[in-house]
Amino acid sequence: QQQVKQSPQSLIVQKGGISIINCAYENTAFDYFPWYQQFPGKGPALLIAIRPDVSEKKEGRFTISFNKSAKQFSLHIMDSQPGDSATYFCAASTDTGRRALTFGSGTRLQVQP
Amino acid sequence: GAVVSQHPSWVICKSGTSVKIECRSLDFQATTMFWYRQFPKQSLMLMATSNEGSKATYEQGVEKDKFLINHASLTLSTLTVTSAHPEDSSFYICSARDAGDTQYFGPGTRLTVL
Repeated sequence: QQQVKQSPQSLIVQKGGISIINCAYENTAFDYFPWYQQFPGKGPALLIAIRPDVSEKKEGRFTISFNKSAKQFSLHIMDSQPGDSATYFCAASTDTGRRALTFGSGTRLQVQP
Repeated sequence: GAVVSQHPSWVICKSGTSVKIECRSLDFQATTMFWYRQFPKQSLMLMATSNEGSKATYEQGVEKDKFLINHASLTLSTLTVTSAHPEDSSFYICSARDAGDTQYFGPGTRLTVL
């Protein structure tokens, strides 16, 4: 059972546009929600993360929006650049136990110049 | 930021041989490390959780006798793929969790079994 559902599977955005990736989770025990960026042949790199006590977090061009009641969270990339072209994964974990990350299926973003 | 290294970055081996992959946290201590497997164009699948000084916890369906994990120190975890077969060919990625609970990922190891 997939616990974190991510959409869209792929996304094409023009340079300067806004990229939006959405995730929904099922496990109400999740309380840590990071986003990772992965380039081909490389490991994932942490972009930004949020906890349920806030509804939005912004770091530079990256913003996470979090809706606890809907069990959804999203990543917004403002002023998207060709260098942002990569695969993005949302993830979630609990704050107890092993605190292992459960990943979404990934979104391949292509930013066209 | 925190750095996690993996060695080797890629390895090619013959079927039936064993391969060891090292994962190191370079500038922080990690009591917990995780091992993931990633197939092309797919997400990361957690294989096991490695805890320093204790036995690893394997996810359902992962053969512990095939994928041996040793977390000998607070900065080093190793994954040994024993008697490797072509179906074990994959991208193996480790992560290490720091004191603030943030997971940092290594660059990955591409394993090809001939």
